[in-house]
Amino acid sequence: GQQVMQIPQYQHVQEGEDFTTYCNSSTTLSNIQWYKQRPGGHPVFLIQLVKSGEVKKQKRLTFQFGEAKKNSSLHITATQTTDVGTYFCAERNDYKLSFGAGTTVTVRA
Amino acid sequence: EAQVTQNPRYLITVTGKKLTVTCSQNMNHEYMSWYRQDPGLGLRQIYYSMNVEVTDKGDVPEGYKVSRKEKRNFPLILESPSPNQTSLYFCASRRAGTGTSGYTFGSGTRLTVV
Repeated sequence: GQQVMQIPQYQHVQEGEDFTTYCNSSTTLSNIQWYKQRPGGHPVFLIQLVKSGEVKKQKRLTFQFGEAKKNSSLHITATQTTDVGTYFCAERNDYKLSFGAGTTVTVRA
Repeated sequence: EAQVTQNPRYLITVTGKKLTVTCSQNMNHEYMSWYRQDPGLGLRQIYYSMNVEVTDKGDVPEGYKVSRKEKRNFPLILESPSPNQTSLYFCASRRAGTGTSGYTFGSGTRLTVV
């Protein structure tokens, strides 16, 4: 079953505002990957975090791995309509990705 | 272009009629997987393969079969489809190793079993 829980399930954002989606686990994660799936599309790999407290940025996206490696967050600043989609976190173990249920983001222009 | 190709994109079939969804990758990846995506459940792994002739069950393997006779191909077989297998299916692949690479996903196959 799912080992990672994502909140919120839905995020409605005004264009230009910031938002954060969270990924939580009851057990220590070996790593965390983030994927984005546009409406009608397929998951696309964004980034992987491995180290405790790691922070990585991709333009307006900031990814963080918690100090205890039990949670992760994705923060998007100045949301644009191109940010619409579902964001998934997943732990990669050997030959498997264990996905969270995803946060579906809609943007109000 | 590096990609994972799935076919068909859409399929409507009847209960009990055997079907195969094909998956092919051109990146020489060792690892390949099949996932199904259902609302509120995220993506769940059906089967995976570590290399040619090496496959194993994922979280939801019941009702599915796979084979890996060639490195590039990893077909998903539904011997006797049932309505609860109506779902969106994705094939994915990645290179072996512990690097930071993510999986490359195919465009998906939307299957409806009536």
